[in-house]
Amino acid sequence: KAGVTQTPRYLIKTRGQQVTLSCSPISGHRSVSWYQQTPGQGLQFLFEYFSETQRNKGNFPGRFSGRQFSNSRSEMNVSTLELGDSALYLCASSTDRVDNSPLHFGNGTRLTVT
Amino acid sequence: AQKVTQAQTEISVVEKEDVTLDCVYETRDTTYYLFWYKQPPSGELVFLIRRNSFDEQNEISGRYSWNFQKSTSSFNFTITASQVVDSAVYFCALRKAGTASKLTFGTGTRLQVTL
Repeated sequence: KAGVTQTPRYLIKTRGQQVTLSCSPISGHRSVSWYQQTPGQGLQFLFEYFSETQRNKGNFPGRFSGRQFSNSRSEMNVSTLELGDSALYLCASSTDRVDNSPLHFGNGTRLTVT
Repeated sequence: AQKVTQAQTEISVVEKEDVTLDCVYETRDTTYYLFWYKQPPSGELVFLIRRNSFDEQNEISGRYSWNFQKSTSSFNFTITASQVVDSAVYFCALRKAGTASKLTFGTGTRLQVTL
């Protein structure tokens, strides 16, 4: 079974630009969540999508948005990039069939904002 | 509010030594879930174990073992006879029941195993 796939692996953008990251969950997983990892703030929850609806949201500005498609694939968008948005963005999927379903993470997209 | 504390920032051991990674959590919820993840240099977080708040049974999986104690709000992870391949950053995480995929992570412990 293929794992969680994130594309691209690396991105370099300039301040003020916008970026879209993509995530394909494990087959059969309907829940997709996104996390930001930085040296200063650690791993922080961005948002979660289930059946194309945002079910949970972390404490991030509106510049961070996402969506989920009918095939459970998800995209995350960051607009008006700032230097502080440089981070490893991790996507995770789960079956969500039981409350303690573990999250399965992808390799992440490393975003560098210059 | 939930909080996870991993006081050990970095640990260095020699191969075959045993090592324990500490995790202390704070939550007001009666039902919650605890997890350990491993992050090798490649970046992905690898799921290791989950534990429900109502199940204090310790668990052993090969060289890995976990000690969950509600009385001290701790969920410690021990690697027996460590190997170089165990070198990674290890994260402890907490999830409130009913919050789907929202994990609160600790700051991680970097484990370096040398020959």
